[in-house]
Amino acid sequence: NAGVTQTPKFRVLKTGQSMTLLCAQDMNHEYMYWYRQDPGMGLRLIHYSVGEGTTAKGEVPDGYNVSRLKKQNFLLGLESAAPSQTSVYFCASNKDRRDTQYFGPGTRLTVL
Amino acid sequence: QQQVKQSPQSLIVQKGGISIINCAYENTAFDYFPWYQQFPGKGPALLIAIRPDVSEKKEGRFTISFNKSAKQFSLHIMDSQPGDSATYFCAASWLGGYSTLTFGKGTMLLVSP
Repeated sequence: NAGVTQTPKFRVLKTGQSMTLLCAQDMNHEYMYWYRQDPGMGLRLIHYSVGEGTTAKGEVPDGYNVSRLKKQNFLLGLESAAPSQTSVYFCASNKDRRDTQYFGPGTRLTVL
Repeated sequence: QQQVKQSPQSLIVQKGGISIINCAYENTAFDYFPWYQQFPGKGPALLIAIRPDVSEKKEGRFTISFNKSAKQFSLHIMDSQPGDSATYFCAASWLGGYSTLTFGKGTMLLVSP
């Protein structure tokens, strides 16, 4: 099992460009999450999903969109990137809310 | 509104010493308190977790102490080793309320040889 994988590992964007981050899990988990990690700010939840076809807003959803068309994939989109979105993005998943969250290796995004 | 406050931001401990990281929460409905460990360049991983029906949980050198009345919980790392050098995050959630995890801001631990 690969667990939780994230694509790409690194990306540099210019302000206004768009991109999609892909998260994939092979553990048949229902719940998936997108977090951003910034120095001194901890992990902040952007959006999450409680099953295929569902999405919900987290603590810091503005400027991001998500989709969960397939159970194993959770996509995070930036329609018009801003320098404030420079961060490390982590995806996580678990089988239900009571289960441990398993994190991916992260994507380091820089917006110039 | 920060619901989980973590301290200190950084900590340096000598090898063999005890590392202590503290967290305080505001929401009395929280009923699940995990600690995550993150090494540089990696994603966080669950280290140990506690429910409020017990005051302490120990797994090897790692212990969570929980004080419900004070709304505080702490992580103790006994006999700290250089390999324990990492960032530690406390978190909390209300499982009964279908809430997601709220993380503290993290503590960067350095164990000197």
